Amino acid sequence: DIQLTQSPSFLSASVGDRVTITCRASQDISSYLAWYQQNPGKAPKLLISAASTLQSGVPSRFSGSGSGTEFALTISSLQPEDFATYYCQQLNSYPYTFGQGTKLEIK
Amino acid sequence: EVQLVESGGGLVKPGGSLRLSCAASGFIFSNYNMHWVRQAPGKGLEWVSSISSTSRQISYTDSVRGRFTISRDNAKNSLYLQMNSLRVEDTAVYYCARGKGANDCWGQGTLVTVSP
Repeated sequence: DIQLTQSPSFLSASVGDRVTITCRASQDISSYLAWYQQNPGKAPKLLISAASTLQSGVPSRFSGSGSGTEFALTISSLQPEDFATYYCQQLNSYPYTFGQGTKLEIK
Repeated sequence: EVQLVESGGGLVKPGGSLRLSCAASGFIFSNYNMHWVRQAPGKGLEWVSSISSTSRQISYTDSVRGRFTISRDNAKNSLYLQMNSLRVEDTAVYYCARGKGANDCWGQGTLVTVSP
């Protein structure tokens, strides 16, 4: 099975900050990686597919990069509604594993 | 509006069974692969099972293989998860999601609690 390791697990930041969350795969997954945002008690929301394709309606301050085994989600200028938990997921092969999550908190 | 609505969750004793359903609307259900993803209380997301648009390809995570069965009825725009031999560690919110690749639409989830 492909393991995904996100870092950091917790991130404290302020409104306006630029933050980056990384996701490392245990083997090459090409660009078969997605990023999701989840707020407490809510279903996850797809932000980025295919490592760098921004979903319709997602603000342009979100961007994804990487391929192979190293990926990143960057938020260029944090807004209050961005404080949530973020997950990466690989879709290269079953089982479609998720990273352990990164909780982004207000400093 | 694209919508997925899960139902069938509840409280069950270890060893018991439940059948989850997911009703789809607002899109051509038969064109999409469908997935079940779960989240234990206070924990992260865990992929559970997937089924292709024609039901020809089915996959399960190791911990549920042989106990859970995913199925779909394209005529009824519905996805199912039959869960047998439930364990305490199966306690979670279960989400259905659609996606040919990444999961671009999710239901609100249904809570399954397995407790003596």
